Amino acid sequence: QKEVEQDPGPLSVPEGAIVSLNCTYSNSAFQYFMWYRQYSRKGPELLMYTYSSGNKEDGRFTAQVDKSSKYISLFIRDSQPSDSATYLCAMSPTNTNAGKSTFGDGTTLTVKP
Amino acid sequence: DGGITQSPKYLFRKEGQNVTLSCEQNLNHDAMYWYRQDPGQGLRLIYYSQIVNDFQKGDIAEGYSVSREKKESFPLTVTSAQKNPTAFYLCASSTVPDFNTEAFFGQGTRLTVV
Repeated sequence: QKEVEQDPGPLSVPEGAIVSLNCTYSNSAFQYFMWYRQYSRKGPELLMYTYSSGNKEDGRFTAQVDKSSKYISLFIRDSQPSDSATYLCAMSPTNTNAGKSTFGDGTTLTVKP
Repeated sequence: DGGITQSPKYLFRKEGQNVTLSCEQNLNHDAMYWYRQDPGQGLRLIYYSQIVNDFQKGDIAEGYSVSREKKESFPLTVTSAQKNPTAFYLCASSTVPDFNTEAFFGQGTRLTVV
């Protein structure tokens, strides 16, 4: 069983929809939770990160962590065609060596105009 | 502009050949990483380095080799021992040991065995 399981998708939504992307994990030592966005044929870029449980909002994006359920989510409000990409969750027990985070397999999102 | 540069963007390799993928960063980051990404799969760590002249194996190091002679450079060699090398390869860097939760990625190299 993988340490991080991500909803596989693909996901297709109309423009303006609210999108929910989700990951579950099994390692209770994870404390840092990241969401990366990866456009086709490009490298991933960090979208948001949170520490421990709680919510974090940045514009149309909200990251939510529920450590008791070992479940994290990324919500996208008023989705736009430019949000079409693959979203990768990543987790780490420490705040160093960010590149050694454990990544999910990614969910590909398409937002249709 | 600061960033990570991977080259080439596309690479074709014949069976039995070694090829080297380049990764250069000007972010003054101590740590550098190499990942492999297959379709529909996440990132799998091949090798990482936290300091010059030192590197460690990741989860799938077999058939790969690296060097870290300069802080800015972390080339990856895909050897003929790698049985299924066709994949998208990503290089990343991050700061160590200060607080950091972000790895900065290059644009990737797509390697195809022909």
